[in-house]
Amino acid sequence: GAGVSQSPSNKVTEKGKDVELRCDPISGHTALYWYRQSLGQGLEFLIYFQGNSAPDKSGLPSDRFSAERTGGSVSTLTIQRTQQEDSAVYLCASSLIGNEKLFFGSGTQLSVL
Amino acid sequence: DAKTTQPTSMDCAEGRAANLPCNHSTISGNEYVYWYRQIHSQGPQYIIHGLKNNETNEMASLIITEDRKSSTLILPHATLRDTAVYYCIVRSARNAGGTSYGKLTFGQGTILTVHP
Repeated sequence: GAGVSQSPSNKVTEKGKDVELRCDPISGHTALYWYRQSLGQGLEFLIYFQGNSAPDKSGLPSDRFSAERTGGSVSTLTIQRTQQEDSAVYLCASSLIGNEKLFFGSGTQLSVL
Repeated sequence: DAKTTQPTSMDCAEGRAANLPCNHSTISGNEYVYWYRQIHSQGPQYIIHGLKNNETNEMASLIITEDRKSSTLILPHATLRDTAVYYCIVRSARNAGGTSYGKLTFGQGTILTVHP
């Protein structure tokens, strides 16, 4: 596609529910990142997929968070048993491995009530 | 990855050059300096990067000191649309050929406000 696509753009859920956020990277991009950004805060790294290598999961805040990348393309970030502090914009980015430019999607605004 | 230090905020008059400093005194030899910016309600946007030489592209110039402990991003003719948060990031290349990179970690950045 022309850019990184994220869906949904907005998600409102109730505390305790599970949510799935989707990221479609730019075609051919082998590196994929997930970040989150709480209101008025900087970007918090969550996870980094890099080709066929094991992902860097060092930023996932708890075991309620998980992510997978199927077929080296689409990625899904899953948050189980959501909490109010999970409310944030979740941003996905992709790049060619070895390329310095990350291209970001517009994000998913998650609101946990 | 090395930590960076940036001023919390800066102002600049429209049409003037905006010079955004970044301190990365613990940078190591294989670490690159990257600059991204984030305009309100959008995802971050790549601006420029460098290793040790000064770099220029259509958006900005990057000046890296000889000891590589600090750098300056220069927007030569700032416009109102350049108002954004500017992030200076140091990122390691995992191999000598620079084909494998560590994760990109964003700090708090500098809020640049360009005023008329």
